[in-house]
Amino acid sequence: GEDVEQSLFLSVREGDSSVINCTYTDSSSTYLYWYKQEPGAGLQLLTYIFSNMDMKQDQRLTVLLNKKDKHLSLRIADTQTGDSAIYFCAESIWTGGSYIPTFGRGTSLIVHP
Amino acid sequence: SAVISQKPSRDICQRGTSLTIQCQVDSQVTMMFWYRQQPGQSLTLIATANQGSEATYESGFVIDKFPISRPNLTFSTLTVSNMSPEDSSIYLCSVESVAEAFFGQGTRLTVV
Repeated sequence: GEDVEQSLFLSVREGDSSVINCTYTDSSSTYLYWYKQEPGAGLQLLTYIFSNMDMKQDQRLTVLLNKKDKHLSLRIADTQTGDSAIYFCAESIWTGGSYIPTFGRGTSLIVHP
Repeated sequence: SAVISQKPSRDICQRGTSLTIQCQVDSQVTMMFWYRQQPGQSLTLIATANQGSEATYESGFVIDKFPISRPNLTFSTLTVSNMSPEDSSIYLCSVESVAEAFFGQGTRLTVV
């Protein structure tokens, strides 16, 4: 199976909270990331969490990490139409030369009025 | 942080031809990475390019199909050779700095 799994689609109403879930397999992952990709653009790092943390909050974004279950989630509060994008979960470990992330397939977030 | 310029941003190519994608970084980096993003799929690492040495390819990718150059610490190219429609994809250049990966805007390749 895939190393990083996430659901492909999520549809929410504007103003509601969005929760995007992800599971990973490598227990030695050091960093876990959420990237955002808007149409026609490259990936942009939204936030990341160290593997020794269980929560990180950054304005409207809340990341929860359950290391025991290897489960990562991204909550976007007060979701706006501008949040519509593909969100990629990624894990990375130190390879001896750099951190190389392994990505999930991405979750398409659709925000409707 | 790192700013990456990648070109072309998109191209439509005939099968059997080759396309070279360029990636320019605004700072010196040891490693540069090339990814492929197929529709509905995750990003797949093609190879890691270090300056002054041959690129290291991931399983399923070979140098004859995806030759890579890395002439200096701020620039790299990826060539998609002898293209077929299955090569239609987005190709992304990336660098890593302090555990954060930075990406170019990608090259959307369509092979007809």
